[in-house]
Amino acid sequence: GPKVLQIPSHQIIDMGQMVTLNCDPVSNHLYFYWYKQILGQQMEFLVNFYNGKVMEKSKLFKDQFSVERPDGSYFTLKIQPTALEDSAVYFCASSLPNERLFFGHGTKLSVL
Amino acid sequence: GDQVEQSPSALSLHEGTGSALRCNFTTTMRAVQWFRKNSRGSLINLFYLASGTKENGRLKSAFDSKERYSTLHIRDAQLEDSGTYFCAAEAGTNTGKLTFGDGTVLTVKP
Repeated sequence: GPKVLQIPSHQIIDMGQMVTLNCDPVSNHLYFYWYKQILGQQMEFLVNFYNGKVMEKSKLFKDQFSVERPDGSYFTLKIQPTALEDSAVYFCASSLPNERLFFGHGTKLSVL
Repeated sequence: GDQVEQSPSALSLHEGTGSALRCNFTTTMRAVQWFRKNSRGSLINLFYLASGTKENGRLKSAFDSKERYSTLHIRDAQLEDSGTYFCAAEAGTNTGKLTFGDGTVLTVKP
């Protein structure tokens, strides 16, 4: 079936550094999402993105976070600067309008 | 507050038997998805429902927006069905903002 690819699968960085998480969504999808899952907790919505713009973001989407998809390439989540509490698994997803979301395998971010 | 209440949190079945998982919603939801997380942590799509019921092999799901619940029925359980099952529901805003249940850990035993 359709696949969402996330690169890398694991990233380790020092607190204060910038990190970019990359997502290759399903090719014909139009909506893109990031979700965050802290160890032992539920997966939670961060942001959705359509037609080059953020449509909705949750309170977890701090000012240090940004998303973009330049020229139809990777859909990225950038965190600058990172904080210890940003350690989590970040899941990318994509969908067509009013259809199911397809999730990637996640990128585990470890902030030291 | 929590909008999706999933039960049970854990379920043990013998091969060949069946059971049901349930998600109750504290608010009106537009659609629900069911996933299974496999051993590698990948979310496998099982169902997407905006209403009614769907069936796929030994799995069947129902969603009643008005009564605020969804169910996932498993029949003739097999060892490979073991894993963690999640429901995730979308409220009426139609933005793909899913609220996930806490998950059900299913263990199928020989």
